[in-house]
Amino acid sequence: DAMVIQNPRYQVTQFGKPVTLSCSQTLNHNVMYWYQQKSSQAPKLLFHYYDKDFNNEADTPDNFQSRRPNTSFCFLDIRSPGLGDAAMYLCATSRGLEFYEQYFGPGTRLTVT
Amino acid sequence: TQLLEQSPQFLSIQEGENLTVYCNSSSVFSSLQWYRQEPGEGPVLLVTVVTGGEVKKLKRLTFQFGDARKDSSLHITAAQPGDTGLYLCAGFSGAGSYQLTFGKGTKLSVIP
Repeated sequence: DAMVIQNPRYQVTQFGKPVTLSCSQTLNHNVMYWYQQKSSQAPKLLFHYYDKDFNNEADTPDNFQSRRPNTSFCFLDIRSPGLGDAAMYLCATSRGLEFYEQYFGPGTRLTVT
Repeated sequence: TQLLEQSPQFLSIQEGENLTVYCNSSSVFSSLQWYRQEPGEGPVLLVTVVTGGEVKKLKRLTFQFGDARKDSSLHITAAQPGDTGLYLCAGFSGAGSYQLTFGKGTKLSVIP
């Protein structure tokens, strides 16, 4: 089945220690998104790629970076995680930008100790 | 800023009961999507509504988009424990809008 896959499902990192989360998709969608979701809150968009074009949301901290080496894979790098970065990180894909449905992966739960 | 208000925030019902959850805005949305999210998982897309007044059915779930495309509702008939989860509505506000606006969700618990 075509799908969005995230690895790992659970990640524990230490305060200030860089961490990378990965997302892959078999849907061949042009757009890949990263969202942050904290407990009892709606997902918050961090950035997205349309093909190789990167778009950072205005309020996304510089501590968060992303890479998309090819159509299928996208990575979220947190350079120096703080305790406030503990959250569920969701990857999503869509065929296009406007009005296209977004399909989410299962998420990576990040814990910062 | 486009806002989507969902109500109720929490809902706990017995198996077999019917329920309706609401998603309201003062703004027009070109489309609205409903997702269900289970604890520790990502949101799963249930349906997209596009046309004002549209009604879509997915087994025991009925989704309606308001005539003015400012609100939507989700009705579940004969709820089952498997319906438990967080129901999120999300929408695109208009031309040039790539960002989904999410509501805060309705947390549903169906007790056996």
